[in-house]
Amino acid sequence: AQTIHQWPVAEIKAVGSPLSLGCTIKGKSSPNLYWYWQATGGTLQQLFYSITVGQVESVVQLNLSASRPKDDQFILSTEKLLLSHSGFYLCAWSPWGVSYEQYFGPGTRLTVL
Amino acid sequence: GQQVQQSPASLVLQEGENAELQCNFSTSLNSMQWFYQRPEGSLVSLFYNPSGTKQSGRLTSTTVIKERRSSLHISSSQITDSGTYLCAMGLNTGGLSGKLTFGEGTQVTVIS
Repeated sequence: AQTIHQWPVAEIKAVGSPLSLGCTIKGKSSPNLYWYWQATGGTLQQLFYSITVGQVESVVQLNLSASRPKDDQFILSTEKLLLSHSGFYLCAWSPWGVSYEQYFGPGTRLTVL
Repeated sequence: GQQVQQSPASLVLQEGENAELQCNFSTSLNSMQWFYQRPEGSLVSLFYNPSGTKQSGRLTSTTVIKERRSSLHISSSQITDSGTYLCAMGLNTGGLSGKLTFGEGTQVTVIS
């Protein structure tokens, strides 16, 4: 069975500080991977997707970057946090190929002060 | 404009009542997925329903592609059904990846 793990569960960070959020998928090879973000009271929106190691496409510009260093790992990061980065970050996966059924991780709650 | 519109925005039900949540989309789509969002934010996938009708327990999802709509029916509501229901439209972005575009959600409150 596939499992998806996100870390950390929650973060409180200062404006201007760096950030790194992680996501790992176990039990599935070569998945498509996605990052989503939801501002408090807002709509979930896709930020990035990746179909293979080393390849990441940006969907929405939020002064964030993503990387896929391993087949089962997806990293979201920035060198300088903004207040507007606060919210809930979800990682998701789907089987390789064009697939619309996505499976979501437990998420990371980020508060930027 | 918003490609996915959910209605109603909120709903209060007496325990035992039925409810129908709607999701309308403004473009052609490839799939529809319904989620329950827990209070802490995580998502529970309820249905992946590109077309037709699917049922799971007291929940039924119906997607009619030609009419650009999908619905989620809750029968005999229970207090534990309270929460936010999200629909997400799957769209082929031209590559080997699907994009989910989410609606704003319907907040359901079931009272005794």
